[in-house]
Amino acid sequence: QKEVEQDPGPLSVPEGAIVSLNCTYSNSAFQYFMWYRQYSRKGPELLMYTYSSGNKEDGRFTAQVDKSSKYISLFIRDSQPSDSATYLCGHMDTGRRALTFGSGTRLQVQP
Amino acid sequence: EAEVAQSPRYKITEKSQAVAFWCDPISGHATLYWYRQILGQGPELLVQFQDESVVDDSQLPKDRFSAERLKGVDSTLKIQPAELGDSAMYLCASSLVSQGTYEQYFGPGTRLTVT
Repeated sequence: QKEVEQDPGPLSVPEGAIVSLNCTYSNSAFQYFMWYRQYSRKGPELLMYTYSSGNKEDGRFTAQVDKSSKYISLFIRDSQPSDSATYLCGHMDTGRRALTFGSGTRLQVQP
Repeated sequence: EAEVAQSPRYKITEKSQAVAFWCDPISGHATLYWYRQILGQGPELLVQFQDESVVDDSQLPKDRFSAERLKGVDSTLKIQPAELGDSAMYLCASSLVSQGTYEQYFGPGTRLTVT
């Protein structure tokens, strides 16, 4: 079983929609999670990170961790065409300082 | 704003040839990572450096791949000989070593095509 799993999509939504991107993780001891955005043919860009459970908000983006179901989510409000990208979730092993990524979900926001 | 630099951005090579990629991390970042990203997949760690020392190279195919960070600053990843299956994006990332700080910052990547 992979440490972090994502639905690859693609996910297509109209402009202004609320987007929900989700990942599951394998080990209930995992606590530190990161979300990256990757535009086509570019390097990943750090969006947000969360520690333990609960929500973290940054502008239109909210990251959520549900430890009971081993589920992490990224919500995007008022989605824009510029949000069209691949979104990668990852688990950070803080002891080894090693990041393990999911396979990424491709999002397309239609104008 | 400080960025991770990589070169070249694109590389086309024939199989059995040697190829090298270069990375310059953000100034002051002691930890440097090389990842390989196959199209449609997430990045996978190849090698991790702490200063000039290799911390983790368990996923590096050592029969053909090598990596070095001689002075603990910039780094080179080499493939010799290249195989068709090596076609991928090679990403470099760096991180500040500080209590409670784990964010990794990525460069633009080098897209390798092996023909």
